Amino acid sequence: DAKTTQPTSMDCAEGRAANLPCNHSTISGNEYVYWYRQIHSQGPQYIIHGLKNNETNEMASLIITEDRKSSTLILPHATLRDTAVYYCIAPRRSNYQLIWGAGTKLIIKP
Amino acid sequence: NAGVTQTPKFQVLKTGQSMTLQCAQDMNHEYMSWYRQDPGMGLRLIHYSVGAGITDQGEVPNGYNVSRSTTEDFPLRLLSAAPSQTSVYFCASSYDGPYEQYFGPGTRLTVT
Repeated sequence: DAKTTQPTSMDCAEGRAANLPCNHSTISGNEYVYWYRQIHSQGPQYIIHGLKNNETNEMASLIITEDRKSSTLILPHATLRDTAVYYCIAPRRSNYQLIWGAGTKLIIKP
Repeated sequence: NAGVTQTPKFQVLKTGQSMTLQCAQDMNHEYMSWYRQDPGMGLRLIHYSVGAGITDQGEVPNGYNVSRSTTEDFPLRLLSAAPSQTSVYFCASSYDGPYEQYFGPGTRLTVT
């Protein structure tokens, strides 16, 4: 099973880009990397996912290294509402099950 | 669209009692899942379903049953509640896999 490693917590100034790293060195060639976030005690919110190429949507960008052993989620202009726990997730056994770690607690400071 | 709804929001059970957590979605999603989240931890998958009539076990299935008789509903049954099942339970759905899942607001369950 693939496993991910993330820093426990990070700070970022409001208006700056927040770069959240994730290590997934055991991921297989056909397994996606998924990013979700959880604000306070709400249900998690999907952000983005990717396989090999960099991905961008209205929320964030995902940069995946060429060897696929790590990735970085970028929130281009962080706001206070982006304060949350961010999860980098890898699949288990198949692409139908995700393994969630403890995530990175991102605090956006004014 | 109501999205993913869960009932109840809060529940207190005594050890040994049984109950069903309800989950419904109105987005015609094929994939639905149940997770539990203990304090300070990430989510753990209990059971999931890739369509009506099809369910499978996740990471922590013991003590829980599910069924999927319709596309819309995916109830989670606790057979005999134990204090170790005290947790927040989230239901989620997505079009056809665990990516881009929509989560419900959660059910906070306490077993005494």
